[in-house]
Amino acid sequence: EAGVAQSPRYKIIEKRQSVAFWCNPISGHATLYWYQQILGQGPKLLIQFQNNGVVDDSQLPKDRFSAERLKGVDSTLKIQPAKLEDSAVYLCASSTSGGFAEQFFGPGTRLTVL
Amino acid sequence: QKEVEQNSGPLSVPEGAIASLNCTYSDRGSQSFFWYRQYSGKSPELIMFIYSNGDKEDGRFTAQLNKASQYVSLLIRDSQPSDSATYLCAVNGARGNNDMRFGAGTRLTVKP
Repeated sequence: EAGVAQSPRYKIIEKRQSVAFWCNPISGHATLYWYQQILGQGPKLLIQFQNNGVVDDSQLPKDRFSAERLKGVDSTLKIQPAKLEDSAVYLCASSTSGGFAEQFFGPGTRLTVL
Repeated sequence: QKEVEQNSGPLSVPEGAIASLNCTYSDRGSQSFFWYRQYSGKSPELIMFIYSNGDKEDGRFTAQLNKASQYVSLLIRDSQPSDSATYLCAVNGARGNNDMRFGAGTRLTVKP
């Protein structure tokens, strides 16, 4: 079974630029999550999708971050414009349902904002 | 107060010893509790989950949950150098939608 795929793996941009990350969840997983993990901290949930609907985006900085999952499969997370404090690893995870199902993580995208 | 708190470590134990990792959480409505292992530069991987008060054993790992004290722990018996990693405690269920809240993690080093 293929795992969660993410791209790119690494990205370096300058502040005020825009960046987008892509995630393809495990086939059949209805729930998709985006996390931000700053160095030395645990992952912080940014947004949770159930199919193509948003379940929780309470911790998403909506003035600069946006995410979509239009067809209920893959998803993109965008930052526009980026700030220095956005430097982090962006993890995508998926699970079979929105209950208490195990979340499987992708390899992450490491973003450096200069 | 952070939702999930862990000692950042580093925790260092000799090979073969028992490593004890602790976690407290603030939301009494939390319903399920997870331990993830994260090697440097890698993504988290699930080790164990526990829902009910008491102990749950899986091989060398034992998770312990005390909901009254809002405390969950992970014991690693016969620690091996390959267990050296950051261990993340996570809780969910307070909002009923599998929204995971993670602690900052405890860095464990097992010395040969």
